Amino acid sequence: ETGVTQSPTHLIKTRGQQVTLRCSSQSGHNTVSWYQQALGQGPQFIFQYYREEENGRGNFPPRFSGLQFPNYSSELNVNALELDDSALYLCASSRPQLSGANVLTFGAGSRLTVL
Amino acid sequence: GIQVEQSPPDLILQEGANSTLRCNFSDSVNNLQWFHQNPWGQLINLFYIPSGTKQNGRLSATTVATERYSLLYISSSQTTDSGVYFCAAINTGTASKLTFGTGTRLQVTL
Repeated sequence: ETGVTQSPTHLIKTRGQQVTLRCSSQSGHNTVSWYQQALGQGPQFIFQYYREEENGRGNFPPRFSGLQFPNYSSELNVNALELDDSALYLCASSRPQLSGANVLTFGAGSRLTVL
Repeated sequence: GIQVEQSPPDLILQEGANSTLRCNFSDSVNNLQWFHQNPWGQLINLFYIPSGTKQNGRLSATTVATERYSLLYISSSQTTDSGVYFCAAINTGTASKLTFGTGTRLQVTL
């Protein structure tokens, strides 16, 4: 089975620009979540998508938005980039079970630098 | 929300040594995972362990849910074990909202 793949792996933007990051979920997974990891810190939850709708959000402003497609792949969009948006963006996919079990599998991340 | 704390923050070991990493969490959990983040940023899932004990080769983990802690054991450490180890948990609400600890940075030397 294929794992979670993300693109691009690295990118550089300037303040005020917009960026789109992409994620293909692991085969059989229907839920996608995105995390931001600043240097030296643990990942922070941005939001989760299930059935093409956002159904959970962390403490991030509306300029962070996303999409999930019928094949469960996903995009993270960030508008009006700020210097503090420089981070590793991680995508995770999972298939929550009725039992409550939910094992998240992460991609290798997209490293964004904002100048 | 749930709070997750890890200790120690840093650990230096000689190859072949054993170690124990600890994770304390502030509330009951539905999901607890241990991850290893390699130098390229990839988070590798080590264990899904909301309760009980699991073993995988030189690694094992135990979660005592009633006392709100989890332990990761690394035996006979190798240089490839170097990196940052994260514990992450979910208690209620959003199914994929993992709360991560601040990590334990492990360096294994020859």
